[in-house]
Amino acid sequence: AQSVTQLGSHVSVSEGALVLLRCNYSSSVPPYLFWYVQYPNQGLQLLLKYTSAATLVKGINGFEAEFKKSETSFHLTKPSAHMSDAAEYFCAVSDQSQGAQKLVFGQGTRLTINP
Amino acid sequence: EPEVTQTPSHQVTQMGQEVILRCVPISNHLYFYWYRQILGQKVEFLVSFYNNEISEKSEIFDDQFSVERPDGSNFTLKIRSTKLEDSAMYFCASRTGTSFGTQYFGPGTRLLVL
Repeated sequence: AQSVTQLGSHVSVSEGALVLLRCNYSSSVPPYLFWYVQYPNQGLQLLLKYTSAATLVKGINGFEAEFKKSETSFHLTKPSAHMSDAAEYFCAVSDQSQGAQKLVFGQGTRLTINP
Repeated sequence: EPEVTQTPSHQVTQMGQEVILRCVPISNHLYFYWYRQILGQKVEFLVSFYNNEISEKSEIFDDQFSVERPDGSNFTLKIRSTKLEDSAMYFCASRTGTSFGTQYFGPGTRLLVL
């Protein structure tokens, strides 16, 4: 069965500092991986996704993530944090290439940006 | 930009009552989903719906739950007899038929069962 672990339920960084949110997955087949962001009172919005093309994936708002099969990781980074990045971030995995392609989510990481 | 909408945003109900959560997916999408998030826990898949039938459901989605697309635009989740443990945020999502097309999520309905 597939699963996702996000290390750190809360991460706090200073404005302008590097953002690193960690995600490790477990999947018996080649996975498809996603990062979603949730701002207060809004739905989940896709930041980026890996679907077996390039291992370094660039997303919206300056975020990127690198798929590392040997480490079963898909960490999310942004070189310079902005106050508007404060939100909750969810890593998700799907191992279904067809059909429902349901998402299995991690616990979420709340990102706080300090001025 | 098209978006998924959900109503109501909040609902309070008594244990044992029926509730219907409503969603309007994006118009040209073909797959529809319900997920839920109990406070402090992970977002969990409940059910997916395609071509007017359930394509997959989780263990959570028991006989108390049902889904329907009654009129080609709305997508509903019904809980027949609510339990305290049904209290959660319920998210609707939809996507096109493209393989790994992005799932677009609605803002959620917060359900509180008393």
